Amino acid sequence: NAGVTQTPKFQVLKTGQSMTLQCAQDMNHEYMSWYRQDPGMGLRLIHYSVGAGITDQGEVPNGYNVSRSTTEDFPLRLLSAAPSQTSVYFCASMPTPGNTIYFGEGSWLTVV
Amino acid sequence: GQQLNQSPQSMFIQEGEDVSMNCTSSSIFNTWLWYKQEPGEGPVLLIALYKAGELTSNGRLTAQFGITRKDSFLNISASIPSDVGIYFCAGQPRGSQGNLIFGKGTKLSVKP
Repeated sequence: NAGVTQTPKFQVLKTGQSMTLQCAQDMNHEYMSWYRQDPGMGLRLIHYSVGAGITDQGEVPNGYNVSRSTTEDFPLRLLSAAPSQTSVYFCASMPTPGNTIYFGEGSWLTVV
Repeated sequence: GQQLNQSPQSMFIQEGEDVSMNCTSSSIFNTWLWYKQEPGEGPVLLIALYKAGELTSNGRLTAQFGITRKDSFLNISASIPSDVGIYFCAGQPRGSQGNLIFGKGTKLSVKP
């Protein structure tokens, strides 16, 4: 998990609360993304960014916002948390599309 | 959306046995990646494949990028208890801008 840092590691939210999952990488990677992982499932793409100032939706974007004001940071915002957003969230980065992708260690989110 | 079919879902083997798992897709992929995930951790890259027909080894692990570009397999030889975990295949479809599609994982259990 070289150079991709996620915080917090664990979080419990009440339904309707908002929060931001932080992701930072120090490898000067252009591409960053957020995935969620649910039991028995592979990882599913939420949002991604191919460079500062550029973001786009993945497979499951509803309920999440992102921004990419710098190359290093790619925060994921939950505006009004729902129990369906209980999951493990992984941030990832790669130098350019087509290269090896590196994952953070994950953020365990529970919405009650 | 695009899907990867990964099989088997789970395997229970004896230490020393060889293991084989595979992924198939309905569409062409430019890159195939194999990850291992242990409890409480993010996925860790095992092998990356970039060319159709490519066969790559990493210690006791061997993976191949299928010649049709729609499949890949991972073999583990002479399994040991620390091989326990969930193995995911992931592919980068053509034009995906680096986004990965994941299989649902193969859970490997190794009996000493």
